[in-house]
Amino acid sequence: GENVEQHPSTLSVQEGDSAVIKCTYSDSASNYFPWYKQELGKRPQLIIDIRSNVGEKKDQRIAVTLNKTAKHFSLHITETQPEDSAVYFCAAPKGSGGSNYKLTFGKGTLLTVNP
Amino acid sequence: NAGVTQTPKFRILKIGQSMTLQCTQDMNHNYMYWYRQDPGMGLKLIYYSVGAGITDKGEVPNGYNVSRSTTEDFPLRLELAAPSQTSVYFCASLLTDTQYFGPGTRLTVL
Repeated sequence: GENVEQHPSTLSVQEGDSAVIKCTYSDSASNYFPWYKQELGKRPQLIIDIRSNVGEKKDQRIAVTLNKTAKHFSLHITETQPEDSAVYFCAAPKGSGGSNYKLTFGKGTLLTVNP
Repeated sequence: NAGVTQTPKFRILKIGQSMTLQCTQDMNHNYMYWYRQDPGMGLKLIYYSVGAGITDKGEVPNGYNVSRSTTEDFPLRLELAAPSQTSVYFCASLLTDTQYFGPGTRLTVL
């Protein structure tokens, strides 16, 4: 099965700085990599995802990069704002066969953006 | 659409008691999931369902049971509550690779 490692577990930045969270995965057949954001006391919500046919995807201040050779993908947040403070989870498909309906989640990164 | 809804929001159980966590979605999604979230441990899959009448175990199914009699509802049953089941429980449904989570149920077993 898939094993997902996420680092760091906590990250503190100053408002306006960039934040980077990295995940590694074990199954070379995995082809879909989502990132979920969970604000304190709220439900996880998808913020961005990437598929294995591209190396980078951007959506305003967030971007995700994928290195299939090294089996790692990263979330980049630029010009951080206090509302970016949350726990971020990466995930990868559990099992092979190109099916993405079951995910293995990383343990999460608590991002704190200090004003 | 209300999306994915869960009840109750909070519950305190005594050891050995039973309860059912309710989950309903109004988006006609076939795939549904139950996760538990322990502090610092991410989301662990308990059970999932690929459609009405079909359920399967996830990573941590022991102590839980599920049923899926309709597309909308996916209840999670705890038969003999144990302190190790203290956690936040999230239900989710799937549309085109994106999982939509409910608001969660915070369960404490004392």
